[in-house]
Amino acid sequence: QLQLQESGPGLVRPSETLSLTCTVSGGSINTYNHYWGWIRQPPGKGLEWLGNIYYSGSTYYNPSLKSRLTISVESSKNQFSLNLTSVTATDTAVYYCARSSVRGMWFDPWGQGTLVTVSS
Amino acid sequence: SVLTQPPSVSGAPGQRVTISCTGSSSNIGAGYDVHWYQQLPGTVPKLLIYGNNNRPSGVPERFSGSKSGTSASLAITGLQAEDEADFYCQAYDNSLRGVVFGTGTTVTVL
Repeated sequence: QLQLQESGPGLVRPSETLSLTCTVSGGSINTYNHYWGWIRQPPGKGLEWLGNIYYSGSTYYNPSLKSRLTISVESSKNQFSLNLTSVTATDTAVYYCARSSVRGMWFDPWGQGTLVTVSS
Repeated sequence: SVLTQPPSVSGAPGQRVTISCTGSSSNIGAGYDVHWYQQLPGTVPKLLIYGNNNRPSGVPERFSGSKSGTSASLAITGLQAEDEADFYCQAYDNSLRGVVFGTGTTVTVL
């Protein structure tokens, strides 16, 4: 059974870089049929797609975050990562990683999510 | 968000409720599939419907999806107390060149 687990700091200071890693277990990240994605959810608000990455390294970003966002993949570790620069309080959210179907781009399964708070 | 949902819908146990997801010619209207997620209070979103009207294994038959034109709908028949949750639609948008989620709908069982 495929599982995803986010890891990283729970507190980031304003203007710094938010870095998270998603570790995939129970299956390989090197799959032709799936992307690997990041989604976030500010407290009490809706879902926002951040970006997807293919095992080859091809990336697809939310245009509103593209200038600050980098998603990378490390196949040897079965991990993919997110770096979001110049964070502000509006970046405070639960960050989820998830597997995305290439065919229809639905997300399943999801990681349990990790709350990242941006505060000094 | 480019996909608009009603903020809330409610119904009595056993009733049928529907949640609309209104998009545009660059997403739903362009033929891209619509997917639905259920987020129970305090939990991770769970895939409920994929490819407009397909249920993953384990999802009850009382959940169904449909799509027409620039909109999609999720129907819950035989509403149960355990269905109280937030629901989100999702599609691809070729103008934004990325994934978009709906604004979300809270379902309340009266």
